[in-house]
Amino acid sequence: TQLLEQSPQFLSIQEGENLTVYCNSSSVFSSLQWYRQEPGEGPVLLVTVVTGGEVKKLKRLTFQFGDARKDSSLHITAAQPGDTGLYLCAGTDTGGFKTIFGAGTRLFVKA
Amino acid sequence: DSGVTQTPKHLITATGQRVTLRCSPRSGDLSVYWYQQSLDQGLQFLIQYYNGEERAKGNILERFSAQQFPDLHSELNLSSLELGDSALYFCASSVGGTGGRGYTFGSGTRLTVV
Repeated sequence: TQLLEQSPQFLSIQEGENLTVYCNSSSVFSSLQWYRQEPGEGPVLLVTVVTGGEVKKLKRLTFQFGDARKDSSLHITAAQPGDTGLYLCAGTDTGGFKTIFGAGTRLFVKA
Repeated sequence: DSGVTQTPKHLITATGQRVTLRCSPRSGDLSVYWYQQSLDQGLQFLIQYYNGEERAKGNILERFSAQQFPDLHSELNLSSLELGDSALYFCASSVGGTGGRGYTFGSGTRLTVV
């Protein structure tokens, strides 16, 4: 059974701090996605990474896919209150038909 | 607006009842996915349809069923409802038959079983 473990589960930081969220698995994925979800809304896709070692940047967010395509990280620089939300990673299996989600990291950025 | 439309937004019903959740995918997307999200289980994949055909099945209970119609909208039917079925139900869509490039999610239907 494929599992995606996210850590930490919960993070409360001050505005301006940096943080890293991790997504780990023992399984190899063909691609990995990061989503952000706000209360009462559906997850919104932030990025998809497909190549081992790939790094993508989205303003203050940096996403990295592990060389073996089993893990990923999300780094936020100078966090802002608007970054508050639930961050979910999702991995698509090598067959491409099944995508599983991690339990999420709930981030709270205090002004 | 993500382009994926889910109705109703909220639903309150009694145990033992049956409900139907509706989803219209983003224009041009052929795949529809149904997910259940509860506080203790996270996002759980239920089922996927691609261009009218069932493509993949997850942890969907036998009391639940779904279909995708020729106009590509999809319905998720939940029957013999139990208190534990209370959750957010999300529909997502993608262009192709796999979710490898990511999904577009709707805003969800919050189901409360009392």
